[in-house]
Amino acid sequence: VQLLESGGGLVQPGGSLRLSCTGSGFTFSNYAMIWVRQAPGKGLEWVSAISGSASSTYYTDSVKGRFTISRDNSRNTVYLHMNGLRAEDTAIFYCAKDVNSDDFSSSCYDSWGQGTLVSVSS
Amino acid sequence: SYELTQPPSVSVPPGRTANITCSGPRLWDKFVSWYQQKPGQSPILVMFQDTHRPAGTPERFSGSNSGKTATLTISGSQAMDEADYYCQAWDSYTAHVVFGGGTKLTVL
Repeated sequence: VQLLESGGGLVQPGGSLRLSCTGSGFTFSNYAMIWVRQAPGKGLEWVSAISGSASSTYYTDSVKGRFTISRDNSRNTVYLHMNGLRAEDTAIFYCAKDVNSDDFSSSCYDSWGQGTLVSVSS
Repeated sequence: SYELTQPPSVSVPPGRTANITCSGPRLWDKFVSWYQQKPGQSPILVMFQDTHRPAGTPERFSGSNSGKTATLTISGSQAMDEADYYCQAWDSYTAHVVFGGGTKLTVL
């Protein structure tokens, strides 16, 4: 199992980015996926989740209305569209694979990507 | 919002037992998982559904959930166990994945 994130970079406040995470070595559509971020020197913060079928999506409160999670199972890829970026969004963003498809009550994340750095600064 | 609370740091001499706790409301109706993160690396899953070890997690790692507190126990701690540890659960009331604030384990 491998997860490879891309799309990070330096962006001005108010700007947009699209992160991608491509999975291999497993049947991508069978598993929910999440995005987690880690600000410099800080802990892990969950950002968003999407079920295997993409029928359910969830967001942490601080990104609701600004970020959109989606997935293209034909491309084995999950996306995080980020608009209205703020300085406090600066972090390494990780994607991670759930062990479940649609049941989040017992979710845990058994594979993680290497992360992609998002820096928001003028 | 739902929160999981961990001590910021735990120290243990080599060979002794380390207990890392994670507390939160209504833990009795949640499954708790634990992740290990070493500097500059991505997190890895070391415990899931309170008490289950993934393949590859050493047997010295064990977990429990009393309903009020979840605990990751490392018996016979080794230098290689030095890392940050995070607990995680799903809160069905808010439909949020929740991580604890993390605990830095020092073995010395």
